[in-house]
Amino acid sequence: DADVTQTPRNRITKTGKRIMLECSQTKGHDRMYWYRQDPGLGLRLIYYSFDVKDINKGEISDGYSVSRQAQAKFSLSLESAIPNQTALYFCATSDFRGGLETQYFGPGTRLLVL
Amino acid sequence: KNEVEQSPQNLTAQEGEFITINCSYSVGISALHWLQQHPGGGIVSLFMLSSGKKKHGRLIATINIQEKHSSLHITASHPRDSAVYICAVVGGYGWNTDKLIFGTGTRLQVFP
Repeated sequence: DADVTQTPRNRITKTGKRIMLECSQTKGHDRMYWYRQDPGLGLRLIYYSFDVKDINKGEISDGYSVSRQAQAKFSLSLESAIPNQTALYFCATSDFRGGLETQYFGPGTRLLVL
Repeated sequence: KNEVEQSPQNLTAQEGEFITINCSYSVGISALHWLQQHPGGGIVSLFMLSSGKKKHGRLIATINIQEKHSSLHITASHPRDSAVYICAVVGGYGWNTDKLIFGTGTRLQVFP
């Protein structure tokens, strides 16, 4: 089974709708991240969480919110989806050992906002 | 100007060729990642390095901290190596890794 899973894998929604993307991990990592990827751009950080009580905004948090329900779960919500939020969304976890961090990515959620 | 630049943006090769993908960055870093994104979208971490060189199978990653440059090499390339290769640096803010800065990726196609 995959260590980092995302649901749904694909989603089509309409402008103004609220949607939630979910991420679960079985790696036991404290750190979790949400990124979006747009064609021609690198991945950009939306939100990150270093533990259940720690939530931080990333580079492009406007229009998004997150919830860290448990160590294993980190959800991303689009309160009122807009077309420029059409992108590929990745959840990741990280393992911080010896001063270095390895990130483990989920399979991605492809979102289309009409 | 992007803080992380990759070259080339696109690369085609014949099976068996030696491949080099370059990454230059303009910020202080504590580590650098090389990631592989498959055509289906999934991302896999290939290497994380903070100095020197690492090797895994046919893949070799090097980093020169002074020159702010890293290279990913693929020896004896194969069509299954076709993917987008992404360089990402960890901003050098002590142990705080709240800023991973990604390059835009290099799209590699290896033909039989």
